[in-house]
Amino acid sequence: GQQVMQIPQYQHVQEGEDFTTYCNSSTTLSNIQWYKQRPGGHPVFLIQLVKSGEVKKQKRLTFQFGEAKKNSSLHITATQTTDVGTYFCAADSGGYQKVTFGTGTKLQVIP
Amino acid sequence: DTEVTQTPKHLVMGMTNKKSLKCEQHMGHRAMYWYKQKAKKPPELMFVYSYEKLSINESVPSRFSPECPNSSLLNLHLHALQPEDSALYLCASSQESRVYEQYFGPGTRLTVT
Repeated sequence: GQQVMQIPQYQHVQEGEDFTTYCNSSTTLSNIQWYKQRPGGHPVFLIQLVKSGEVKKQKRLTFQFGEAKKNSSLHITATQTTDVGTYFCAADSGGYQKVTFGTGTKLQVIP
Repeated sequence: DTEVTQTPKHLVMGMTNKKSLKCEQHMGHRAMYWYKQKAKKPPELMFVYSYEKLSINESVPSRFSPECPNSSLLNLHLHALQPEDSALYLCASSQESRVYEQYFGPGTRLTVT
């Protein structure tokens, strides 16, 4: 089935540094979503990207969808301790309502 | 109200027990989902209900039995589970027109002894 890989698996940054996680698929995606899961918490929807080359911003977060719709990235500018958590991309896995989550990137921010 | 609630928060059960997990949402969402999440892994889709009908079963063993009594409620009945079934069970819901924007509940942490 659909596999969505994320890199890096873990990232430690000093507070104030930038952070980027990448999501890669071997197949073309119709859309991609990003979720954040805080330690001990549940996934929280952040955004959905649909169009080739789409870029969306939410305050310090910038989301991009690749031109070929096979990859996506999430960039956080000037990380804060509240950004700590695991960031997952998610994509439809070949069927309506079937969602496959990426492997996730765990972000640790050192104050 | 943008909340999905799940009960219980924690559950410990033996391999011969029968128990149920419950999920409730009052957002008017007509799609509801069960996911299983093992430690340090992404959520894995188990079941999808659409308009109270089971639309997706991701080849889940029959010891897991979902039920959708009405548009706000989703249950997961558990019977004869194995220790490897210990995990966080997450419920989610979404609008039918925005199935990829899912709202998750806090989950039930299940331990099978």
